[in-house]
Amino acid sequence: GNSVTQMEGPVTLSEEAFLTINCTYTATGYPSLFWYVQYPGEGLQLLLKATKADDKGSNKGFEATYRKETTSFHLEKGSVQVSDSAVYFCALTAQGGSEKLVFGKGTKLTVNP
Amino acid sequence: SAVISQKPSRDICQRGTSLTIQCQVDSQVTMMFWYRQQPGQSLTLIATANQGSEATYESGFVIDKFPISRPNLTFSTLTVSNMSPEDSSIYLCSVELLKNIQYFGAGTRLSVL
Repeated sequence: GNSVTQMEGPVTLSEEAFLTINCTYTATGYPSLFWYVQYPGEGLQLLLKATKADDKGSNKGFEATYRKETTSFHLEKGSVQVSDSAVYFCALTAQGGSEKLVFGKGTKLTVNP
Repeated sequence: SAVISQKPSRDICQRGTSLTIQCQVDSQVTMMFWYRQQPGQSLTLIATANQGSEATYESGFVIDKFPISRPNLTFSTLTVSNMSPEDSSIYLCSVELLKNIQYFGAGTRLSVL
């Protein structure tokens, strides 16, 4: 079945550091890939998405590129801020749409001033 | 995006009782989903609720324990029945607004004593 493997946390960085959170997936065909973010005490927010190979999703300084050859969708940000402290979830839906989201285990990021 | 409202936002319940969680969307949607997030864990789909049909449950979840209603295109409820402490989780509804893209409510934080 479909699955998502996400870098284990927690991750602790200083403000303005570079962030990478690794995400790889197992799925048939061409799934859609997502990063969601959960701030403390809140629900999930869609951060970015990519629906086909080589697509780059970007939002709020975060980027992730859909790499079919390596089945990866790593999240990056060049300079993190304290306000980026949250739990980040990589997820996919199967090719075809209207399918359930399959989530990775989540990576907790803490950014210190 | 859309406004997705969940009620209650949190509750503390006694063992053996039931709680009904409401999810209201400010636009008509076909697909609604209910997820569970156990403490410190990722999200797991409970069921998919389409208006006009019975909910479709994932493996490990049954209708007697998690009955779902979907009376129209903007509203759904999830009931957690005969609760035990193991049901303490965050319960989230999501809706598919665009093809293959889900947006989440803020969640209901349930504690069972």
